[in-house]
Formats: sequence, structure tokens, C-alpha cells
Amino acid sequence: AQKVTQAQTEISVVEKEDVTLDCVYETRDTTYYLFWYKQPPSGELVFLIRRNSFDEQNEISGRYSWNFQKSTSSFNFTITASQVVDSAVYFCALWYNQGGKLIFGQGTELSVKP
Amino acid sequence: DGGITQSPKYLFRKEGQNVTLSCEQNLNHDAMYWYRQDPGQGLRLIYYSQIVNDFQKGDIAEGYSVSREKKESFPLTVTSAQKNPTAFYLCASTATGTGYEETQYFGPGTRLLVL
Repeated sequence: AQKVTQAQTEISVVEKEDVTLDCVYETRDTTYYLFWYKQPPSGELVFLIRRNSFDEQNEISGRYSWNFQKSTSSFNFTITASQVVDSAVYFCALWYNQGGKLIFGQGTELSVKP
Repeated sequence: DGGITQSPKYLFRKEGQNVTLSCEQNLNHDAMYWYRQDPGQGLRLIYYSQIVNDFQKGDIAEGYSVSREKKESFPLTVTSAQKNPTAFYLCASTATGTGYEETQYFGPGTRLLVL
């Protein structure tokens, strides 16, 4: 079965702290893609990153970084020096070749306080 | 600007009433999707369409219907058979044949409330 687990329901940090959002996935497919989306209070999901199953290279984009480890089936997301504007719900998602659709985790609500 | 628009932003439904949520995109994307999001939960797929005049049921299609008469438009009807329609509805689309078919882009959503 295909599944995405975000064990952290809510995280609260103070501005400038670093924070890591965990994502663990399950799939038997060898070809799959992993995603992170941000959902601010306005509701729209904003695409952040896409990573395919053959590329375990970590990625950094400004204050955001992603750590993909196939050995532990994890795709974790770190925000460095968090800001109030980072407050949102973050979703991890899996797209697998056989299913042809996105499977979402339950989301992690991040609150960054000034 | 290219993007996905959804209307209305808020929609109120009376008991026994069918309501239709609009989703339009000018991204020239072939595939379109409808998701339902309940408070504190992830997104669940209702229906999707890979091409005009064709669509498939997702995981929670009961009580919903769709049509895909135009590439740009994918309206969702919430029928009276859907007993618990209160939720946030999100529309998404993807480009096919680009190597990025898996990446879905989302509209701003419609919040449906039952009176």
C-alpha cells in the first residue's frame, strides 16, 4: 500500500529557530516522486519541491533544504532561521508510477512566533 | 497571468440542493483534479480528468459528479447524495508530455458550508 506519514501534527517555534518537518513514505514502486507543498492561511497549496526516486541528492533553496533518504524512506524538510511568514500547514506527498495520482500526508501545522 | 481560478470562494448549500464549483485554468494543462480537504486532514482525491470528455473516479467520488467539455474547465457538482459536504475543495492541474506530469498546481479553493 502507498502511504505518507507526517507524524508531527503541530510544531511551534520562535522566529530564527531552525525547524525540521518529517515525512516518511511507503511504496513498492521503484519509480516515484516526492513533493512538499505549503498551505498558508489563505488555503491555496503552493508547490515547493519535487524529487524523483532516482535522485537522492539533497537540495537547498534559500532557507529551505530537503533531505531525501531512500534507506529510511524519508523526505524531510528543514527551514533555517524561520520567519513568521513561514507559518502554514506543510504537506508531503507521494506520486507513484502505478497509481498515477498524489497521496498526501496529514500535514504539519507550523507556527512561527515573533 | 497564467493560473487556476476557482469560484466562488465561499458557497452555501441548503439541504437537498445540488451546487456546482467552478475550476478554470489557462495554463494549457491537459489533466485536472478535484480534492476535498477536511479540517486537520490531508487532501483526498474526488475525480480527475486526463483529457477532454474523459474522467475517472478518485477515492471519494460518491455524491459528486464532474464534466470535462473544455480543456480549460473542470466543474464539480456536489449532489444532494453527498451527506457531509462541508469541506474545503481544491482544484489542481498538471501539464502532460513535459516530463513534469506529476507536479500538480493548485487553485485558491472553495469553502463549502451547509446551511
